[in-house]
Amino acid sequence: GNSVTQMEGPVTLSEEAFLTINCTYTATGYPSLFWYVQYPGEGLQLLLKATKADDKGSNKGFEATYRKETTSFHLEKGSVQVSDSAVYFCALANSGAGSYQLTFGKGTKLSVIP
Amino acid sequence: GAVVSQHPSWVICKSGTSVKIECRSLDFQATTMFWYRQFPKQSLMLMATSNEGSKATYEQGVEKDKFLINHASLTLSTLTVTSAHPEDSSFYICSARDPRQGGSTEAFFGQGTRLTVV
Repeated sequence: GNSVTQMEGPVTLSEEAFLTINCTYTATGYPSLFWYVQYPGEGLQLLLKATKADDKGSNKGFEATYRKETTSFHLEKGSVQVSDSAVYFCALANSGAGSYQLTFGKGTKLSVIP
Repeated sequence: GAVVSQHPSWVICKSGTSVKIECRSLDFQATTMFWYRQFPKQSLMLMATSNEGSKATYEQGVEKDKFLINHASLTLSTLTVTSAHPEDSSFYICSARDPRQGGSTEAFFGQGTRLTVV
């Protein structure tokens, strides 16, 4: 079955530091990969996505590249801000079978301090 | 993007009572909605797929008689936790796809409901 493994937090960084949150996956076929973000007190929001190998998703300074050879989709940001403090979830979906169900990682809590 | 609203955001109930959580798609019609449960420091686990006008599809290990799902309209799905017990305390989140986006696998999430059973 499908599974997503992401680095456990919490992660605490100073403002303007470089961020990497690792994510690897196991899936059949060619899944789509996502990063969702959950700000305090809010629901999940899509941060970025990639639908095929070597695609790079990017949004708000965050980037992640779909690496099929290493089955990875690591999230990176060159300079984090306090407003980036949130929980980040890596997820995949296999749409080929007509199912749009998402499989999530456990989430990584990021705290950015001034 | 599409908006999914979940209500209430948090609820405290006594053991043995039932609690209803609503999930609404505000600006699109959703034939399918998904209900997830999140334990502390754990991933979101899919509980069931809610289908408008038909019975929900439950994941293995989820008690259908305990977690009643009703999807009576294209914009509303409800999850009722019946005879709640402290071990049902958790964070429940719903999501839906916007069919206007064709084959996109992006899902839109409600803000979640924190259930505490005392």
